[in-house]
Amino acid sequence: ETGVTQSPTHLIKTRGQQVTLRCSSQSGHNTVSWYQQALGQGPQFIFQYYREEENGRGNFPPRFSGLQFPNYSSELNVNALELDDSALYLCASSLETGPTYEQYFGPGTRLTVT
Amino acid sequence: KQEVTQIPAALSVPEGENLVLNCSFTDSAIYNLQWFRQDPGKGLTSLLLIQSSQREQTSGRLNASLDKSSGRSTLYIAASQPGDSATYLCAVSGIQGAQKLVFGQGTRLTINP
Repeated sequence: ETGVTQSPTHLIKTRGQQVTLRCSSQSGHNTVSWYQQALGQGPQFIFQYYREEENGRGNFPPRFSGLQFPNYSSELNVNALELDDSALYLCASSLETGPTYEQYFGPGTRLTVT
Repeated sequence: KQEVTQIPAALSVPEGENLVLNCSFTDSAIYNLQWFRQDPGKGLTSLLLIQSSQREQTSGRLNASLDKSSGRSTLYIAASQPGDSATYLCAVSGIQGAQKLVFGQGTRLTINP
């Protein structure tokens, strides 16, 4: 069974640019959540996708958007990058949505905005 | 709004010691609480998950307890080893809504040989 994978591992972008991060969920999982972890902080919930629909959003501006595909892989898109967007972006998948189901995290994508 | 606090922010102990990491949360209406380990620059590894109806969980040298009414959890590590050096994060999951985990800031643990 393949775990959660994310690509790319590292990324460097310039302020104002746009970026797309990708996540492949664990086999059989239909729910993907994205988190942002700034240096020295705990992860912050960005949003969750369940069966291709957004299913909850944290306190992030609309320039953070996402997609989930029919195979349940997911993308996180960030427009108009700011320096404060520099962080480790984590995705997590679960079998279904809801607190009953444990989330399994990927290795993360390290985004640096200069 | 749920807030999770971890104390201490950093801890350094000699190898072989038993130690306790603390986690507190402001809203007792949680579904479960999870402890994670994170190595530098890496993703999260789940260590223990405690359902709200449970009081503790054990895995090897790790024991996590949960007191929902007081909003507290502890992670006990027995006979610490240098390989235990990492950041330990606790997170709570609410009862309703999306499956959002609310994390503490973590405790950075260093075990000295």
